Formats: sequence, C-alpha cells, structure tokens
Amino acid sequence: QQQVKQSPQSLIVQKGGISIINCAYENTAFDYFPWYQQFPGKGPALLIAIRPDVSEKKEGRFTISFNKSAKQFSLHIMDSQPGDSATYFCAVRKPDSNYQLIWGAGTKLIIKP
Amino acid sequence: ETGVTQSPTHLIKTRGQQVTLRCSSQSGHNTVSWYQQALGQGPQFIFQYYREEENGRGNFPPRFSGLQFPNYSSELNVNALELDDSALYLCASSPTPRPTYYEQYFGPGTRLTVT
Repeated sequence: QQQVKQSPQSLIVQKGGISIINCAYENTAFDYFPWYQQFPGKGPALLIAIRPDVSEKKEGRFTISFNKSAKQFSLHIMDSQPGDSATYFCAVRKPDSNYQLIWGAGTKLIIKP
Repeated sequence: ETGVTQSPTHLIKTRGQQVTLRCSSQSGHNTVSWYQQALGQGPQFIFQYYREEENGRGNFPPRFSGLQFPNYSSELNVNALELDDSALYLCASSPTPRPTYYEQYFGPGTRLTVT
C-alpha cells in the first residue's frame, strides 16, 4: 500500500517563483519527515528535514511546512532558480523499523529561466 | 563530494542470470544500506549491513543478498534476475546503523537493465 503520496508528479516554475511540493502520509507513528533532492546521474541528497513537534522549518530558500492534524507536509522553494531543477522526494521514517525510510514517488521540478 | 562510489555505472543482464553490484563506503563509515529505485519511483530499502552482518531488511526476496567486507565496502547480489529487477540500485553509507539523515550519503547508483 502507498503510505506516502507525493504531488504533483511534475512541476514547471518560472525563475524567481515559488515551487511547492506536497506529501500526505497515513501513519501517525512516523517520526521524521525529510526531503531529498536528486539530480540526474546522482544519488539522492538530504535537503531539509523536520520532526512532528515543529510546524515549520526554514533553511535558506527551502522551507518545510508540517500539518500534523492533516497528516501533510510540504516543501516550499522560494526564489526558484534553474539550478533547483531536479527530482524531489519526500520521505517518512518509522521508528520501529530500524529507522528505514518510506519514500514518495518523486516530483520532477523544472525551473524555466 | 560524498565519497561513496558504486560500480559498474550501467549493466545489462538477461532474465535468469545473476548480478553483483559493488559499493565503496565513505571513509570512516561502517554501515551500508542498499536501495532499489524503479523508474519514476522513490527508493525502496533492500537491506542494511553493519560490521559485516545484515542489520535489517525490507520486503525483498532471498534472491537479493549482500556482503560487507572488513574495509566496509559492500556487494549486492541478485540471483535469478527478473524483468522487474530493472532499476537504479543505490547504496548509502553512514557512520552508524541509525544515523541522523545528515550523516547518510548516497552513491550515484548502478543502472541495471534486465532483458
């Protein structure tokens, strides 16, 4: 079953705009919510992460918003740049599963110059 | 640069064959995790090796097996290849079996195609 639903599948944003990617999850036991960035030919790299006791976390142009009651979290990329063009994955962690991550299906983001 | 390397970069195999993929961990890391990433999907956890022993496994059949060597490099072996095994195989190394995710680094992956 799909425990993490990520949307949209693809996204095109103009340079300087705001990119927003959403994830919804089912299990309230998840305790860690990271976002990864993957460029073609590279492995995923951790971008930013949040714990469920915090509603928002900001690192530079990247912000995670977390809504525990709605079981949703989102990634916001402010002032999007062509170098941000990549595939983004959300993930969730189950604390009782040897800290394994369950990943979303990914969002291909294209920033138009 | 993360320092995690994988070989080969690409591989084409025939259904029923066996394949070995290799991963060299970042210096100082004693834990390696392997993931399968099908096209258009997120990675799925296969298993983790810590100090040469399997330390957790995802929902993959026994024909997926691994090894970790004293220098902490690792191999992923897949027997009796099936068409659905076609994917990008990623390894990730970390300094402990339960790292913060800032401490886990992924390699570039091996693209396996099964025909």
